[in-house]
Amino acid sequence: RKEVEQDPGPFNVPEGATVAFNCTYSNSASQSFFWYRQDCRKEPKLLMSVYSSGNEDGRFTAQLNRASQYISLLIRDSKLSDSATYLCVVSRGAGNMLTFGGGTRLMVKP
Amino acid sequence: DVKVTQSSRYLVKRTGEKVFLECVQDMDHENMFWYRQDPGLGLRLIYFSYDVKMKEKGDIPEGYSVSREKKERFSLILESASTNQTSMYLCASRDPDRGGAEAFFGQGTRLTVV
Repeated sequence: RKEVEQDPGPFNVPEGATVAFNCTYSNSASQSFFWYRQDCRKEPKLLMSVYSSGNEDGRFTAQLNRASQYISLLIRDSKLSDSATYLCVVSRGAGNMLTFGGGTRLMVKP
Repeated sequence: DVKVTQSSRYLVKRTGEKVFLECVQDMDHENMFWYRQDPGLGLRLIYFSYDVKMKEKGDIPEGYSVSREKKERFSLILESASTNQTSMYLCASRDPDRGGAEAFFGQGTRLTVV
């Protein structure tokens, strides 16, 4: 079993739609959680950190459930520019090793 | 701006060659990482380093070694390149203890082994 699992998609949604991505992680010692975004042929970049209390950044909302070892990302009012692959990331260990999920591809259509 | 620079964007090497991939970061970050990214498999950690001369194996270290003689530079070495090491290689750096948990990536090196 992979340490971080995501539905690979693709999720094809119309502009303006709300879309949710889920992620599960297997290592209960995981300490920090993130969502990264990767555009085609580009390097990953941090979208947002995920906090236990849940957090919001504009149209993006992230949630963490430590008991279920589950992380989510909600995107409201999707834009064409949101089309990308979204990577769930966890860190663990004294060296803060980062482990990436396989990514979920989102395609927003006009 | 943090900058992570990888020495080559594209590289073609022959089977059996020794290959060096270089990565330099300019923000004095403690942690540096090497990943490979393949379609359907996502980013997989090869090695990471949490300090000079310190390294830990990631999920797929076989066939690779690393070197971190200076804080700013983290090198990935393919001792004897094989065709199954054809991939996109991404270097990243991060320092979670200094006000930022973000990992910054280089632009990637697409390695083809023929």
